[in-house]
Amino acid sequence: EVQLVETGGGLIQPGESLRLSCAASGFTLSSSYMSWVRQAPGKGLEWVSVIYSVGTTFYADSVKGRFTISRDNSKNTLSLQMTTLRVEDTAIYYCAGLGKDYWGQGTLVTVSS
Amino acid sequence: DIQMTQSPSSLSASVGDRVTITCRASQGIRSDLAWYQQKPGQAPKRLIYVASTLQSGVPSRFSGSGSGTEFTLTISSLQPEDFATYYCLHHSPNPPYTFGQGTKLELK
Repeated sequence: EVQLVETGGGLIQPGESLRLSCAASGFTLSSSYMSWVRQAPGKGLEWVSVIYSVGTTFYADSVKGRFTISRDNSKNTLSLQMTTLRVEDTAIYYCAGLGKDYWGQGTLVTVSS
Repeated sequence: DIQMTQSPSSLSASVGDRVTITCRASQGIRSDLAWYQQKPGQAPKRLIYVASTLQSGVPSRFSGSGSGTEFTLTISSLQPEDFATYYCLHHSPNPPYTFGQGTKLELK
């Protein structure tokens, strides 16, 4: 059974950094393109970033230069390093394998002073 | 970047109704479009991919059509479990990917 479990969310102050992790089981992360998708409270879905199987990465303009997606093949884990966080980054962050419709349950990041 | 305009933003309908949701792309995107359903407190679930292919396990009352710049999701006969929010997603080998703004389908 495929499972994605995100961890690392929490309450953080503007300007600080946070690292999200997504542990995969039931499939090999490196064989799929993996994304982070976020959803602000009461709002729609927003694509954040993708990492392809060859390691190429892309970002939404709203997070470019502040967020970094990476993958640890030995641990079958996806990560999102978030720096210089803003109030508008507050959202549930989902780890997703969009090609195969794999989704985690999401982890809530709240940026507030 | 390609923009996706989804309409309507909300829709009231009754069980048994036929409903259609539309997504328009700001430029041609071939068939690089998927449709998702999201219920409160849950992750999205894909219904349709490459514009018209039904995801395994999804009821046949859901269908997708279109290519290029205009796409539609049709639910042929609404069931009680279909009241949810629906999103289109453009994703292709050339990011960024873009979600539509969402359509909240409510019981009339």
